[in-house]
Amino acid sequence: QAVVTQEPSLTVSPGGTVTLTCGSSTGAVTSGHYPYWFQQKAGQAPRTLIYDTTNKHSWTPARFSGSLLGGKAALTLSGAQPEDEAEYYCLLSYSGAWVFGGGTKLTVL
Amino acid sequence: EVQLVESGGGLVQPGGSLRLSCAASGFTVSSNYVSWVRQAPGKGLEWVSVIYSGGNTYYADSVKGRFTISRDNSKNTLFLQMNSLRAEDTAVYFCASWGGTRDYWGQGTLVTVSS
Repeated sequence: QAVVTQEPSLTVSPGGTVTLTCGSSTGAVTSGHYPYWFQQKAGQAPRTLIYDTTNKHSWTPARFSGSLLGGKAALTLSGAQPEDEAEYYCLLSYSGAWVFGGGTKLTVL
Repeated sequence: EVQLVESGGGLVQPGGSLRLSCAASGFTVSSNYVSWVRQAPGKGLEWVSVIYSGGNTYYADSVKGRFTISRDNSKNTLFLQMNSLRAEDTAVYFCASWGGTRDYWGQGTLVTVSS
């Protein structure tokens, strides 16, 4: 089964920009992996921020965007806010099965 | 309003079995793909299994051969039969459905495997 890799932790200053990435052990991440990005805050269920690489939900703040970058899926946060401090997980599809990345703990400091 | 309500978690000895249920309302299980996702205490999310609308099922390698996902369309309910449980299966188990504008999660049910 594929392994999906994320940065374990990142720190961003308030108002700053940070990019989280999501790689696959099988090679380049493509749109065919239908990359998802979830945000999870302590004690809560996860919530989708980005689906199918770039698409946002109605609740996704405009400061979040998804893309493919250098063979990986990427989540960029531009203009970080204190409420963005959370765990972020990417999720990739592999021919019907799914695999989560290990998560990135984002600190806004 | 969509609700997914898991039940069936609890304490079980290693080697034992449990059956989790996920009752859905406001959402048709048989018309969408629905997954089980688990989260061990203090750890990340782990996808466990999915059942697609056509009935195809897939499993994580860590549970293949031990867990079985199924659904009862008449009851609009998803199940996860878990056999040969191990300590490392201890986690909160969520049922969830994502896809397009869909993003539905239950509150989770805790499974503890311990002697």
